[in-house]
Amino acid sequence: QITLKESGPTLVKPTQTLTLTCTFSGFSLSTGGIAVGWIRQPPGKALEWLALIYWDDDKKYSPSLSDRLTITKDTSKNQVVLTMTNMDPADTGTYYCARDTMTGYYIFGSHSLDVWGQGTTVTVSS
Amino acid sequence: DIVVTQTPPSLSVTPGQPASISCKSSQTLLHSDGKTYLSWFLQRPGQSPHLLIYEVSNRFSGVPDRFSGSGSGTDFTLKISRVEADDVGIYYCMQSKRLPRTFGGGTKVEIK
Repeated sequence: QITLKESGPTLVKPTQTLTLTCTFSGFSLSTGGIAVGWIRQPPGKALEWLALIYWDDDKKYSPSLSDRLTITKDTSKNQVVLTMTNMDPADTGTYYCARDTMTGYYIFGSHSLDVWGQGTTVTVSS
Repeated sequence: DIVVTQTPPSLSVTPGQPASISCKSSQTLLHSDGKTYLSWFLQRPGQSPHLLIYEVSNRFSGVPDRFSGSGSGTDFTLKISRVEADDVGIYYCMQSKRLPRTFGGGTKVEIK
């Protein structure tokens, strides 16, 4: 069974740095083609893709947020960490991690954003 | 970025009746590997999104066969053959041909 779970602070102050951890099980981030991504959702709004990290440590970011995001992985701990600097109230929302698969890379039973975590809610307020 | 547009923004459906959601992308989602990378997700109230359909028309594990996806190139449709109470929520389409992944604005489905 594949599971992912996000953890981190529920409240951060403006200008602070947010650090979120995604802890997963049931798959390995050492497997070729596998990735873990982050997606967020402001209250009452649509989903917004943020970043992903591939099995080979290649990292991709949303162009609009690339200067504020850093994604890293600890394969031995089955964890992916996302940091977002200079937090603003507009960054308030629910942050999800999900398993992803590199486009064009066939892995039986694995697809883009096929399993999501439960999400963690982050409020940015002074 | 590939822009993905969904219509309608909301839908009210009588149980047992069909429902249809449209999704259009700003460029073809046909990849050089021959697959078309368009997915559908359902986010039930208070829950995280979950995958319904991948690569236009393939139902993900455990998804009832009343859900079907169709389309090609830039135009796609999700159909629910007979809506049930459990189908309430917000449906999102997403392209995964290119990074960044991009989502439609969502379609909220309610029961009449």
